[in-house]
Amino acid sequence: DTAVSQTPKYLVTQMGNDKSIKCEQNLGHDTMYWYKQDSKKFLKIMFSYNNKELIINETVPNRFSPKSPDKAHLNLHINSLELGDSAVYFCASSRLSEDYGYTFGSGTRLTVV
Amino acid sequence: GDSVTQMEGPVTLSEEAFLTINCTYTATGYPSLFWYVQYPGEGLQLLLKATKADDKGSNKGFEATYRKETTSFHLEKGSVQVSDSAVYFCALLYSSASKIIFGSGTRLSIRP
Repeated sequence: DTAVSQTPKYLVTQMGNDKSIKCEQNLGHDTMYWYKQDSKKFLKIMFSYNNKELIINETVPNRFSPKSPDKAHLNLHINSLELGDSAVYFCASSRLSEDYGYTFGSGTRLTVV
Repeated sequence: GDSVTQMEGPVTLSEEAFLTINCTYTATGYPSLFWYVQYPGEGLQLLLKATKADDKGSNKGFEATYRKETTSFHLEKGSVQVSDSAVYFCALLYSSASKIIFGSGTRLSIRP
């Protein structure tokens, strides 16, 4: 049973397109996150939701819009894709007491051509 | 602001060598500290953690001690294996901040 699952695993698309990445967790966690990992492996948080409510929104272009239909799902929609959006996007989840750390999905490699 | 600094990689060692990956942090309070590992093509996995000063986290032969006086959380392993080849991330977390801040990652390669 996969704890945090993301789909798709790979996504290749043209500039200007709109795409979505889905994330689901079956751990009963309250909080979910999106992180972006660039080509140098640097990880930066994008968004965080707690019980469907947005609590962190880092400096991310408006083209990126997270949606959380329930606390087990956090999807990421990206409009008007640009070359610089190419990266690996990781979904993660945690309990309310975050000292336990995060559980990460296996990532979605987005390539914009 | 809060930040994590790791030694730059790549680090290349022979099997059974001793490993140290340095990590220091800047924070205004007392965060929890973590090491995550990312194997090729996979997501991050929690390797070990420490939530207060002088705590030692350990897992799979790896250890790290939370040193408040030097603001460090260095990762060590006495005898590395080829299967330890991965990227290692040091990270800190404040419960109130609701986000983990990662270091830049250190790529480790182990030669047979």
